[in-house]
Amino acid sequence: DVKVTQSSRYLVKRTGEKVFLECVQDMDHENMFWYRQDPGLGLRLIYFSYDVKMKEKGDIPEGYSVSREKKERFSLILESASTNQTSMYLCASSPRDRNYYGYTFGSGTRLTVV
Amino acid sequence: GNSVTQMEGPVTLSEEAFLTINCTYTATGYPSLFWYVQYPGEGLQLLLKATKADDKGSNKGFEATYRKETTSFHLEKGSVQVSDSAVYFCALSVRKTSYDKVIFGPGTSLSVIP
Repeated sequence: DVKVTQSSRYLVKRTGEKVFLECVQDMDHENMFWYRQDPGLGLRLIYFSYDVKMKEKGDIPEGYSVSREKKERFSLILESASTNQTSMYLCASSPRDRNYYGYTFGSGTRLTVV
Repeated sequence: GNSVTQMEGPVTLSEEAFLTINCTYTATGYPSLFWYVQYPGEGLQLLLKATKADDKGSNKGFEATYRKETTSFHLEKGSVQVSDSAVYFCALSVRKTSYDKVIFGPGTSLSVIP
């Protein structure tokens, strides 16, 4: 069964900590995405990557960075966590040339910053 | 620009009732259309999709037809079950140079009561 795996379901971190959220996919997809999901705000795109070592800013990149050193892995980094980054984080992937395919999502990481 | 509008929730139905969740879109070109479902505490799962006008997507008793003339993709199910309680997201995908940009609607929460 193909899947997108996020390393943690729940995380609690302190303000100012550097936080790493990991995402791995086993489908050989070129594109990978990080979203955050907040009540009343829906899904908002933070960063995405369409190839190894490539990254593009999404709609809300401030306070975040990403790393894609290998095709299957896409990491989201919170350089200095703040309480307003408490959220559900969703990773997704898709193949490059098939926009009819849709995204495959991970199960999400619920991050709480205290 | 591209956008997706869904009916406001929450929607509460009795078991075996008929379900309709309205979705309309604005897009340039010829988008693919999707419905995703998110069960409590989980990531999003692709429920069904349609890639061109008049296509009907179907899965697990849910159906939606791509209506270009009305720019709509309404989700329907003839008889809902308690296990269908979830948040449903309508989405469209448009082709960019190197990736497919997916735009999600705000989601509609469905509760099915016995």
